[in-house]
Amino acid sequence: QVQLQESGPGLVKPSETLSLTCTVSGGSINSYYWSWIRQPAGKRLEWIGRIYTSGSTNYNPSLKSRVTMSVDTSKNQFSLKLSSVTAADTAVYYCARVISSGWGAFDYWGLGTLVTVSS
Amino acid sequence: DIQMTQSPSSLSSSVGDRVIITCRASQSISSSLNWYQQKAGSAPKLLIFGASHLQRGVPSRFSGSGSGTDFTLTISSLQPEDFATYSCQQGYSTPHTFGGGTMVDIK
Repeated sequence: QVQLQESGPGLVKPSETLSLTCTVSGGSINSYYWSWIRQPAGKRLEWIGRIYTSGSTNYNPSLKSRVTMSVDTSKNQFSLKLSSVTAADTAVYYCARVISSGWGAFDYWGLGTLVTVSS
Repeated sequence: DIQMTQSPSSLSSSVGDRVIITCRASQSISSSLNWYQQKAGSAPKLLIFGASHLQRGVPSRFSGSGSGTDFTLTISSLQPEDFATYSCQQGYSTPHTFGGGTMVDIK
C-alpha cells in the first residue's frame, strides 16, 4: 500500500520561503507524476503543480513565479518550495500521486500538513 | 484556467436516499473529470476517475456519468459513512482545477 507523508515547518514568517518534503513509502516513486495541492480553511482545493520522476515540472501559473519542485528518487522523496509567502499562503498542504491511467486524478494522498504564515 | 462549478453547495439527506451532485466545466473536458470524498480533517479520497470509472475499493453505490461540460455523481443509497464533502476536479489540462465542493449532511 502506497503511503505519502508530508514534513516541514508548520509556521513560516511572511516574506520567507515555505519548504515541504513528501516521503513515499510502500512503492517506488519512479514513473509517476507527483503533485502538491493546498486547501485554505473553508476554501476549495488548489493545485500547485506536479513533477515527474525525470524532474520535469508543471506549475500553476498563479504561483509559478514563486514555486520550485524537486525530486530525489534515491530517497523516494519530492519537495516543494514556495517563496515570498504571505498570509494568503496559509493552508493545509497535501502531496499526492497522479493516477497512471491518464485522467489526471490523484489516487494516493498524504495526510496533509497545516502551514501557517505569521510573524 | 478551466472553472469548475458544483451544485448544490450543500444538501441534507437521509440514510437510504438517492443523492445526485452535479459539476459543470467552463469548457469541454472530454471525460477527464474526477470525484473525491473528503471528511473533516482528512485528505480527499478518490471515488471516480475518468467521469465513470470506480476507483478500486469504492462501494458500487457510487457512480459517475457525463462528458464534455456536464457531469454527475450519484450515490444510490446514502449510508451513514457517506456524510462528507464531495468535490469534482478536471484532469484535462493544467492547471488542474477543483469545484467548490458539495457538503452532504444528515437531514
